[in-house]
Amino acid sequence: GNSVTQMEGPVTLSEEAFLTINCTYTATGYPSLFWYVQYPGEGLQLLLKATKADDKGSNKGFEATYRKETTSFHLEKGSVQVSDSAVYFCASSGYSSASKIIFGSGTRLSIRP
Amino acid sequence: EAQVTQNPRYLITVTGKKLTVTCSQNMNHEYMSWYRQDPGLGLRQIYYSMNVEVTDKGDVPEGYKVSRKEKRNFPLILESPSPNQTSLYFCASRIGTDSNQPQHFGDGTRLSIL
Repeated sequence: GNSVTQMEGPVTLSEEAFLTINCTYTATGYPSLFWYVQYPGEGLQLLLKATKADDKGSNKGFEATYRKETTSFHLEKGSVQVSDSAVYFCASSGYSSASKIIFGSGTRLSIRP
Repeated sequence: EAQVTQNPRYLITVTGKKLTVTCSQNMNHEYMSWYRQDPGLGLRQIYYSMNVEVTDKGDVPEGYKVSRKEKRNFPLILESPSPNQTSLYFCASRIGTDSNQPQHFGDGTRLSIL
C-alpha cells in the first residue's frame, strides 16, 4: 500500500537559516502530495499541495516540488522565522481517489531567535 | 467562518466511564474522519464517513464507535475507555470523497484516561 516517510525530528535551526525537511513516498498510481503544519495547541492546517509530477506547491515562503523520479516532496524555506516553529506533516492521497490520506510521522521544527 | 469544532478540548476521566467527543463542521462537507495522534506515530485514522449513515473503519478502530446521522456531526464514542486510549484526537472534514482534496481539521481534544 501507499506510505509516507519523513525525516525524524526534532530539527532546531537559528532564525534566517535555510530549511529542508525530507519526505519520500511510495504509491500505486499518481497521488496528490501535501504538507500540513500544526502550530502548538492547534489542529493541522494545509500548508501547500501538489497534484502531479513537477508541480511546485508554495505558501508563506515554503516550497515543495513533486519529484516522480525520486518519489520525493521535500519541504524547503530559504529563511526561517521563530513563528515557523511547529510540527510539519507530509501526506499523500491514497491509492484511489476515494480512499484515505496517508500521513508521515511528523517533524518538529524549533527556530531559535 | 468555515470551521471544524470539537468538544471538549480537554478531558480527564477514569477507565470504563463512557464518553463522547463531538465534532461539527459548517462547510457542508461530505467526508469526515477521526484521527488519534501519538508521539512518534503521526496521525492514525480511527473511523471515517463518506456521507450520512455511511461509516467505515480506519487503521485503529478498536474501542471506538462513531455515528453519522446528520451531515454536519460526527461524534466519537468511547464506550469503555482504557488508559491506552489516552491521546490527542482530531476530527477532520473535506468537501467530497476524493482524497486529492485537502482536509480541514479541528483544534483537537486531549483525552487522559486514568
